Amino acid sequence: DSGVTQTPKHLITATGQRVTLRCSPRSGDLSVYWYQQSLDQGLQFLIQYYNGEERAKGNILERFSAQQFPDLHSELNLSSLELGDSALYFCASSVEGFSPDTQYFGPGTRLTVL
Amino acid sequence: AQSVTQLGSHVSVSEGALVLLRCNYSSSVPPYLFWYVQYPNQGLQLLLKYTSAATLVKGINGFEAEFKKSETSFHLTKPSAHMSDAAEYFCAVSERGNTGKLIFGQGTTLQVKP
Repeated sequence: DSGVTQTPKHLITATGQRVTLRCSPRSGDLSVYWYQQSLDQGLQFLIQYYNGEERAKGNILERFSAQQFPDLHSELNLSSLELGDSALYFCASSVEGFSPDTQYFGPGTRLTVL
Repeated sequence: AQSVTQLGSHVSVSEGALVLLRCNYSSSVPPYLFWYVQYPNQGLQLLLKYTSAATLVKGINGFEAEFKKSETSFHLTKPSAHMSDAAEYFCAVSERGNTGKLIFGQGTTLQVKP
């Protein structure tokens, strides 16, 4: 158990819909990262927050957005969903928010878009 | 831009045999390098990381990796494979700076035969 929690574990929805994925970091960690894992793209960095502020952005679509709240939990919002958004979405957390910090990964949310 | 290449998407070894998983990186500056393991239906777990303190890095579960600047490599090894080592392994690179984002390789699935 990494100490990072993600809900829900599974999510099945239809094209065009909007979903919210939630992540609670390890106690004491200030930074949260979101990654997408798919068969065709592999593991890709989406976005990073540190203590409520966006710190880095990766290959995140404009239809996707995220935020980190004062209690440090984070939410990833995916809208206008397409079939290609089906993937495993991981949240990770770390203390400092810069390398070589160890990132601790949650178990992931598996999103299926039908 | 930084990148990581893992040679071999699938590696099969017999129980007790040497495990060698290959990773080559591309970076204009000395990078930080990581190996993560993903067991089925789980999140990623850090095996070890290179932070420039020592070129031979020892990790958990008997794994180690050697940083070779001249070869731009960071191969993962274990002297004797166990059945429990069967999993997917990811090499990742991160740049120095104020972000901890990881750039992952495509992953290598390790199969251990009895």
